[in-house]
Amino acid sequence: GESVGLHLPTLSVQEGDNSIINCAYSNSASDYFIWYKQESGKGPQFIIDIRSNMDKRQGQRVTVLLNKTVKHLSLQIAATQPGDSAVYFCAEVLPGANSKLTFGKGITLSVRP
Amino acid sequence: DGGITQSPKYLFRKEGQNVTLSCEQNLNHDAMYWYRQDPGQGLRLIYYSQIVNDFQKGDIAEGYSVSREKKESFPLTVTSAQKNPTAFYLCASSFASGSYEQYFGPGTRLTVT
Repeated sequence: GESVGLHLPTLSVQEGDNSIINCAYSNSASDYFIWYKQESGKGPQFIIDIRSNMDKRQGQRVTVLLNKTVKHLSLQIAATQPGDSAVYFCAEVLPGANSKLTFGKGITLSVRP
Repeated sequence: DGGITQSPKYLFRKEGQNVTLSCEQNLNHDAMYWYRQDPGQGLRLIYYSQIVNDFQKGDIAEGYSVSREKKESFPLTVTSAQKNPTAFYLCASSFASGSYEQYFGPGTRLTVT
């Protein structure tokens, strides 16, 4: 079936290093992708999004890369800080799904001081 | 301040009782959503509404009911028919077209014993 998934359940990085969080999606017709950050006990917060007609999009300290050939999405966080520790979710919008998002299971990012 | 609010933050109920979770937004968003999140899991869509007086089932609608009488409000009722109601419930809202970014509330943690 169609799904959005993440390769690793946890990621531990040293403060100051760059982090790369990966996401695989199975539906090649998906045309919009979004990354959310969720801190413990809180609602998810928008980080960055990208449409399928783009390969890369940059925000403040974050970059999202989209590789449609292998159906892969990644979130890069530069100079990771303790405040980046959270669970990260990727989500996709399927064509015809209106505004519905399909979420992956999430990956925990732990930043070591 | 514009935003999306959920109340209460924590809710305790006895098995067999219905309970209603509140969700209000003042972002002038057309669409609203309810998700369920279990520990260490992603978000699963319960119900969504793209316009007042209309709503659709999501992936796990059984045992839940909603109403959308006002644009700003989208309450969720967890009925006694829901077999495992203990979870973290998240409400979100978005524009129905143009941008797919969903804004999330702080969540309600429901415990049923």
